Amino acid sequence: DTGVSQDPRHKITKRGQNVTFRCDPISEHNRLYWYRQTLGQGPEFLTYFQNEAQLEKSRLLSNRFSAERPKGSFSTLEIQRTEQGDSAMYLCASSLGTDGQPQHFGDGTRLSIL
Amino acid sequence: SQKIEQNSEALNIQEGKTATLTCNYTNYSPAYLQWYRQDPGRGPVFLLLIRENEKEKRKERLKVTFDTTLKQSLFHITASQPADSATYLCALPGGSYIPTFGRGTSLIVHP
Repeated sequence: DTGVSQDPRHKITKRGQNVTFRCDPISEHNRLYWYRQTLGQGPEFLTYFQNEAQLEKSRLLSNRFSAERPKGSFSTLEIQRTEQGDSAMYLCASSLGTDGQPQHFGDGTRLSIL
Repeated sequence: SQKIEQNSEALNIQEGKTATLTCNYTNYSPAYLQWYRQDPGRGPVFLLLIRENEKEKRKERLKVTFDTTLKQSLFHITASQPADSATYLCALPGGSYIPTFGRGTSLIVHP
């Protein structure tokens, strides 16, 4: 079990730039989730995939955010035209697709917008 | 709307004592509840799941209770150690069984 890996661990960019994060889930997990977490708060759901299908997106997810999971393996999360309010930790998690299965999280990508 | 409440104030205890953390929820009828641990700069790590028909669950020094009448779960760490210092998150299943997390409670165990 190599765990969930995320890349990069840290990203600093100027406002208005586009950024892309990558997540490699545990290989046998068919569900993949993206969360955002700010200081003092719990992870906030953004979107999730079952295999390659994106099944749900939070209403909090603006149209500047897009996620993909080609071939049901790794996933990318892109933020276009970044804003100050996008500064946060972006967490990826994977799980088996059955009810109650624990989520396995990566250590996140910390995004800082200058 | 559904709401999960965890004490935002840090819990400070002495090593060797039992730490008790609380998770309250409203407008949920969850089939189960999960607890996670999160260290600074790291992702959450799953600890325990307790189902609605289970009153109590134990794992080593951890004990979780689930009272669906009070809409509350208690998370206990017995014989606490400084290494137990972390933020503890509770999570409830929302739509499509996607976990919704509380804000977490920070535990600080003093030697």
